[in-house]
Amino acid sequence: GQQLNQSPQSMFIQEGEDVSMNCTSSSIFNTWLWYKQDPGEGPVLLIALYKAGELTSNGRLTAQFGITRKDSFLNISASIPSDVGIYFCAGGLNTDKLIFGTGTRLQVFP
Amino acid sequence: GAVVSQHPSWVICKSGTSVKIECRSLDFQATTMFWYRQFPKQSLMLMATSNEGSKATYEQGVEKDKFLINHASLTLSTLTVTSAHPEDSSFYICSATQPSYEQYFGPGTRLTVT
Repeated sequence: GQQLNQSPQSMFIQEGEDVSMNCTSSSIFNTWLWYKQDPGEGPVLLIALYKAGELTSNGRLTAQFGITRKDSFLNISASIPSDVGIYFCAGGLNTDKLIFGTGTRLQVFP
Repeated sequence: GAVVSQHPSWVICKSGTSVKIECRSLDFQATTMFWYRQFPKQSLMLMATSNEGSKATYEQGVEKDKFLINHASLTLSTLTVTSAHPEDSSFYICSATQPSYEQYFGPGTRLTVT
């Protein structure tokens, strides 16, 4: 099945550092979502974006819907150990049929 | 709100047997439920979409006779893996949604076929 290109594939950072990851698609999307998945668990929704250019924050997380509607990025500021996990972007023409990114594995060291 | 549960959380079965996984939306009525499969260190791949009271729509390459999906009510969908084989071992995750709402995911079911 189709997947979105997500980068970086993995990140190893020190606590307190900022993190940035992005997702690109060859298709135009109307919806971009960012999820976090802990090992052995289902994904948890972090941020949902519905409009090109939209910038939305959720605590230390900020995500943007790219103007071209073919990309999105997620920033995490002042990382903490509980930010560890796998972050997935997901895009679609609506929230029904989503295509998931390849994932970014984040490791935070104290 | 928007809590989705799955049962069982893990299951081990013998090759050739069938396994049923349940997905429930606990605090909302889900008009649509989705079933995904995730192999180790890989992303989620959509298997099928099910709407309450109608037949599921399967993604290309997913055998509908092997992965039976029933969405009998607005709060329950089931996935039955029939005649399971070791290559069916995977993490199966469901999600549930209402029109114009985001997908909320269950905690997943780890299936191991020996």
